Amino acid sequence: GNSVTQMEGPVTLSEEAFLTINCTYTATGYPSLFWYVQYPGEGLQLLLKATKADDKGSNKGFEATYRKETTSFHLEKGSVQVSDSAVYFCALSYGNNRLAFGKGNQVVVIP
Amino acid sequence: GAGVSQSPSNKVTEKGKDVELRCDPISGHTALYWYRQSLGQGLEFLIYFQGNSAPDKSGLPSDRFSAERTGGSVSTLTIQRTQQEDSAVYLCASSPAGPYEQYFGPGTRLTVT
Repeated sequence: GNSVTQMEGPVTLSEEAFLTINCTYTATGYPSLFWYVQYPGEGLQLLLKATKADDKGSNKGFEATYRKETTSFHLEKGSVQVSDSAVYFCALSYGNNRLAFGKGNQVVVIP
Repeated sequence: GAGVSQSPSNKVTEKGKDVELRCDPISGHTALYWYRQSLGQGLEFLIYFQGNSAPDKSGLPSDRFSAERTGGSVSTLTIQRTQQEDSAVYLCASSPAGPYEQYFGPGTRLTVT
């Protein structure tokens, strides 16, 4: 089937620290991959995407590279800010562009 | 421009009652999706509309759940005889037809008491 696995548990880190959130996927065919973000009190927003192997998606200092050989799409940011505190969801699209999401990771950035 | 809107934003209902949740997609978006976000299950796909047709209903969890879309625009998700396990945030998203970004609404938080 088509599914996404994110690392367990919340992530707490200090401002200006390096952030990595792991994401691996299982899919038939060649899905597009996404990171969505949900800021407190707001709806889901697309953060970045990649549509084929070796593509790198980037936005707001965040990056993720579509790695077909390791079926991964890890999210990274070199220097986080307090305003990056949110829940981050990895997702893939398949079928009629429907999305399959990971469980999400709460990121808390401490000043 | 206007984004995806959903109503109500919060709904509290008694077990066994029926509820209707509404989604107004972005104008011109022919594809519409419903998802459910719950603590135990995370974000799950429910149903997909292309125009007024629903070619993919595979995510609906039981026959108590149904949805329709009229005029290629507004969609209503109906849950009959609500159960406590239906408590969740119901999200609607829309996009142009094809592999395009989905834009999400703010969701309806449903609480079944």
